[in-house]
Amino acid sequence: GDSVTQMEGPVTLSEEAFLTINCTYTATGYPSLFWYVQYPGEGLQLLLKATKADDKGSNKGFEATYRKETTSFHLEKGSVQVSDSAVYFCALRRADSWGKFQFGAGTQVVVTP
Amino acid sequence: ETGVTQSPTHLIKTRGQQVTLRCSSQSGHNTVSWYQQALGQGPQFIFQYYREEENGRGNFPPRFSGLQFPNYSSELNVNALELDDSALYLCASSLSSGGAEAFFGQGTRLTVV
Repeated sequence: GDSVTQMEGPVTLSEEAFLTINCTYTATGYPSLFWYVQYPGEGLQLLLKATKADDKGSNKGFEATYRKETTSFHLEKGSVQVSDSAVYFCALRRADSWGKFQFGAGTQVVVTP
Repeated sequence: ETGVTQSPTHLIKTRGQQVTLRCSSQSGHNTVSWYQQALGQGPQFIFQYYREEENGRGNFPPRFSGLQFPNYSSELNVNALELDDSALYLCASSLSSGGAEAFFGQGTRLTVV
């Protein structure tokens, strides 16, 4: 079955540091890939997405590139802020089951001043 | 703000009881999905509804059931509550497309005692 594996947290960084969160997936066909962010006590917010191989999703300084050959969708940000502290979820969704996301376990990111 | 609202925000129930959670979808979205998120884990797909019919289900027992109404609002019903049902329940609405963004509500925190 489909699965998403992302690096375990917590990831603790200083402000303005570079952030990478690794995400790899297993799925048949060509799923769409997503990064969602969850702040304490809240639901999930879409951060970025990519719907086909070599697409790059970007938003709020975050980027991720859909790599079919390595089945990866790593999240990066060049300079994090304290406000980026949250839990980040990598997810995939297949075209034949559009309502169903397969999520990773989440990676907590803590940014200190 | 996503336009997806869930009620109630918090709920405490006793083992063996039944519970109904509600979700109001984003306007124009014809698909609603429900997820269970245990503490410290990623959301797990329960089921999705498209045009008032269930058309996808995750690995959850039949005591988890749902409804979607003509206005695309939705309910999640859980019978015979167990302690392990304690979790954050998330509703997501989207269009019927694999690449379409899904919008999540803020969730209902269910505690079973």
